Amino acid sequence: SAVISQKPSRDICQRGTSLTIQCQVDSQVTMMFWYRQQPGQSLTLIATANQGSEATYESGFVIDKFPISRPNLTFSTLTVSNLSPEDSSIYLCSVSLGTQYFGPGTRLLVL
Amino acid sequence: EDQVTQSPEALRLQEGESSSLNCSYTVSGLRGLFWYRQDPGKGPEFLFTLYSAGEEKEKERLKATLTKKESFLHITAPKPEDSATYLCAVQAGERDDKIIFGKGTRLHILP
Repeated sequence: SAVISQKPSRDICQRGTSLTIQCQVDSQVTMMFWYRQQPGQSLTLIATANQGSEATYESGFVIDKFPISRPNLTFSTLTVSNLSPEDSSIYLCSVSLGTQYFGPGTRLLVL
Repeated sequence: EDQVTQSPEALRLQEGESSSLNCSYTVSGLRGLFWYRQDPGKGPEFLFTLYSAGEEKEKERLKATLTKKESFLHITAPKPEDSATYLCAVQAGERDDKIIFGKGTRLHILP
């Protein structure tokens, strides 16, 4: 398994601003993933981030709205840009070690 | 389209009252089925992976089974600390990275 931490654990942001979420893993991993979990909904994959290459975005998610960085094998950031109340969700990073393991999540509330 | 459906959406049981949660799936080329537990405000915690029909996995009071169309998570003599949302997810097709989640079953065990 892997120990995954996320910062911040929660935040309240104003409409139109941006929030950058950090994800740190205790071991080197090739694949890191970013998910969104809207209230009462399931987890939805936003993008896959491999070190040394551009992130791959799922249908309905675009780089301008959700830019991702993956500078090394233990770290990634997800930025949620131009925030609107519809972006209020839990954002989760995960890593694949055969099985996907998840971080604790970042709870975002947009006013 | 690949789909994962969990039932019931919510379940309330008395302590010690055994029951089962259902996860039905329609995917092309199942590569793995996963069960996770998610506590409020936390990320999903990995429980089991099942790969082929007939396979069973056990952990404490939980047992997961798999058929060609569905999986069951059996909970035997549950305790209040088993209260959580249980998520089912499948990995299918050629992609190593993408797993599809169901909406989960919210389980509440009454003391």
